[in-house]
Amino acid sequence: SQQGEEDPQALSIQEGENATMNCSYKTSINNLQWYRQNSGRGLVHLILIRSNEREKHSGRLRVTLDTSKKSSSLLITASRAADTASYFCATGSGYALNFGKGTSLLVTP
Amino acid sequence: EAGVAQSPRYKIIEKRQSVAFWCNPISGHATLYWYQQILGQGPKLLIQFQNNGVVDDSQLPKDRFSAERLKGVDSTLKIQPAKLEDSAVYLCASSSLPGGSDNEQFFGPGTRLTVL
Repeated sequence: SQQGEEDPQALSIQEGENATMNCSYKTSINNLQWYRQNSGRGLVHLILIRSNEREKHSGRLRVTLDTSKKSSSLLITASRAADTASYFCATGSGYALNFGKGTSLLVTP
Repeated sequence: EAGVAQSPRYKIIEKRQSVAFWCNPISGHATLYWYQQILGQGPKLLIQFQNNGVVDDSQLPKDRFSAERLKGVDSTLKIQPAKLEDSAVYLCASSSLPGGSDNEQFFGPGTRLTVL
């Protein structure tokens, strides 16, 4: 079953701006992962944040996790046209990794 | 390092026909996953293998879908017979560690199946 739900469904920004997308989930998790999918490179892992972590950084990416609110956010700073893709959060609680429907991000020059 | 390989990349069949997809995971990765991604949705796990044993196949429609991973390396996913609603991208992924959700998964390019 798809547990994570991303918001917004679609986001359009200009290069250089920041992009923020959110993920909400319903049950307890061990960790939460963010993936990116575009036609060129397929589905690629971006970052994993464990349930006992609150914030994690990787390059231009910043992920936060609030387990009390069952929510996470992905911030992409100084966006580039190459960041155009769909972004999925995936929640884990055991063997299965459950993906949301994704946020479609368009970055225009 | 070579990535996850899948073939074919595209397949068009008529309903009630059979189809098979092949996946070769990253060398040394013990865990292999098959996902189904319908247009506009996120991937949905169909089956997970640990070496050549099935760990989780709770979402696999077993009346028509089957999968195997002989010798703990390559895997095949079969649909027999196909239905219109099986039209989707079938993604194969692998990870070096067990525990499905606890580790980064590496995805192949997928097979886009169209059932007419």
